[in-house]
Amino acid sequence: DAGVTQSPTHLIKTRGQQVTLRCSPKSGHDTVSWYQQALGQGPQFIFQYYEEEERQRGNFPDRFSGHQFPNYSSELNVNALLLGDSALYLCASSLDVNTGELFFGEGSRLTVL
Amino acid sequence: GNSVTQMEGPVTLSEEAFLTINCTYTATGYPSLFWYVQYPGEGLQLLLKATKADDKGSNKGFEATYRKETTSFHLEKGSVQVSDSAVYFCAHGGGSQGNLIFGKGTKLSVKP
Repeated sequence: DAGVTQSPTHLIKTRGQQVTLRCSPKSGHDTVSWYQQALGQGPQFIFQYYEEEERQRGNFPDRFSGHQFPNYSSELNVNALLLGDSALYLCASSLDVNTGELFFGEGSRLTVL
Repeated sequence: GNSVTQMEGPVTLSEEAFLTINCTYTATGYPSLFWYVQYPGEGLQLLLKATKADDKGSNKGFEATYRKETTSFHLEKGSVQVSDSAVYFCAHGGGSQGNLIFGKGTKLSVKP
């Protein structure tokens, strides 16, 4: 049973560019959340998707957007990249929108130069 | 606002030593509380949880008790092993359980 898979694992972008990160949830999970983890910090909630809609959103600007597909996979898009967007982006899936029992992928490490 | 504060690391212990990692939180209401662990080269995984006051979560020899009066959820283990070396994150469900608020993490290193 595959867990949460994310791609790419590492990528480098320059300021002003756009990036798309991808996530496949654990089999049987229909809810996907995205977190940003800066170096030396805990993960910070970006948003959550369920039934192809954004259900909850954290304190992130509109440059951060997402999408969920009918097969429950998800994308995170970040526009107009800033140096401060450099971080590990974590995808987590769950069985329910209201559970804190999350299954995390290993993350996508984004470096903005 | 909602937040989680955990003791700063790194924490270095010898094998079989007793472990405590302190965690306190501020929250609206009484959210569920969690400990997640991140082993080297792996993704975050749930270690244990507690959903209401005085609940004790336990797993793999680790324990934590939901203390409403002190707003704490300290992680303990009686005898650590080298394989417990990891980064430990305390978290709570905030105002909505699907949106976890994490502490900064505490790195534990256990020496043989």
